[in-house]
Amino acid sequence: RKEVEQDPGPFNVPEGATVAFNCTYSNSASQSFFWYRQDCRKEPKLLMSVYSSGNEDGRFTAQLNRASQYISLLIRDSKLSDSATYLCVVNMDGQNFVFGPGTRLSVLP
Amino acid sequence: EPEVTQTPSHQVTQMGQEVILRCVPISNHLYFYWYRQILGQKVEFLVSFYNNEISEKSEIFDDQFSVERPDGSNFTLKIRSTKLEDSAMYFCASSRQNQPQHFGDGTRLSIL
Repeated sequence: RKEVEQDPGPFNVPEGATVAFNCTYSNSASQSFFWYRQDCRKEPKLLMSVYSSGNEDGRFTAQLNRASQYISLLIRDSKLSDSATYLCVVNMDGQNFVFGPGTRLSVLP
Repeated sequence: EPEVTQTPSHQVTQMGQEVILRCVPISNHLYFYWYRQILGQKVEFLVSFYNNEISEKSEIFDDQFSVERPDGSNFTLKIRSTKLEDSAMYFCASSRQNQPQHFGDGTRLSIL
């Protein structure tokens, strides 16, 4: 079983739509969780950390379900500039950060 | 805002040659990492480094690879006897303990 799995994508949505990405992880002892975005041929950039209680940053909401080993990212009122690949990253143990394969989002005018 | 810097931005090397990729992590970070991303594929962990030694490494990080922190600021990745399949983006990252990683903008390595 792959350590971190994500929706295969791509997601093509119109501007203003709400879109949700899902991520599952295999190691129940995983300690911390993050969403990164990566633009084409650029480095991953931290979007937000994911906390057990769920957290929101503007149009972005992240949730964690430890029992189901599942993380989600919700983007409301999507903008053209949200087009990117969204990477789920899980800190399995120590300093072992595992990246998911990413889900590509295209927001269309 | 402090950032991770990598040099060079693009390295072109003949197969079989050695390359050294350089990184300057964020100054108050203690954990350093190298990742690679082959074009169109996922980001793959290579190695993490803490307290002047390797703390974790992946199956990819075999004897062809080595890392070094030669001074107080640089963190280098050396690839010996490069192969065509080593062509990829190589990202350096740094972090505090259990905190998110901050990435440099990468070195594109092209092996000819």
